[in-house]
Amino acid sequence: GAVVSQHPSWVICKSGTSVKIECRSLDFQATTMFWYRQFPKQSLMLMATSNEGSKATYEQGVEKDKFLINHASLTLSTLTVTSAHPEDSSFYICSAWDRVGTEAFFGQGTRLTVV
Amino acid sequence: AQSVTQPDIHITVSEGASLELRCNYSYGATPYLFWYVQSPGQGLQLLLKYFSGDTLVQGIKGFEAEFKRSQSSFNLRKPSVHWSDAAEYFCAVGPITGGGNKLTFGTGTQLKVEL
Repeated sequence: GAVVSQHPSWVICKSGTSVKIECRSLDFQATTMFWYRQFPKQSLMLMATSNEGSKATYEQGVEKDKFLINHASLTLSTLTVTSAHPEDSSFYICSAWDRVGTEAFFGQGTRLTVV
Repeated sequence: AQSVTQPDIHITVSEGASLELRCNYSYGATPYLFWYVQSPGQGLQLLLKYFSGDTLVQGIKGFEAEFKRSQSSFNLRKPSVHWSDAAEYFCAVGPITGGGNKLTFGTGTQLKVEL
């Protein structure tokens, strides 16, 4: 089946620095990918929809300038957390639908800790 | 707007006992329904999905779910729980076209299995 790979699995960074998270569709092309954020013991909250070759669509309340999304190719979307602060610490998960649009596959997630 | 309610935040069952996790949804049209499982620090794995047809769907790991339109429910069941089933379970709803559309997740149910 389709596979979505996310990298890194975990990252620790200092406050004020930027962190880039990659999401790749390994065996299929994804014109659209989704970025979610999950707080401990909570559900997934959609942050933004990443569109290949165009601007991402952000959900209400998500800061576009803090969470930069780039979908430069049909197999790669990146989420950059800029000027990270401790409150940005969270679990970030990406997702993409398979070719026929019947199943959404998820990356393994990235645990971001900002110190 | 679409929404998903999982009334039970935590459920504890004994190994070998039956399990039912509740999911109610609100959606303006025929929904596309999913159950995902998440182990700690991991991404989401699809257990099963309902698109159309038979309202009782079979999934992986011995799970099944029944779509009841009249009750707007899509409850997940397993006749005999194994200790390895301990995890977080999420119900999700999306548009019938799937594809580039976003999913809405419930708040999740944490399953604990007593040996």
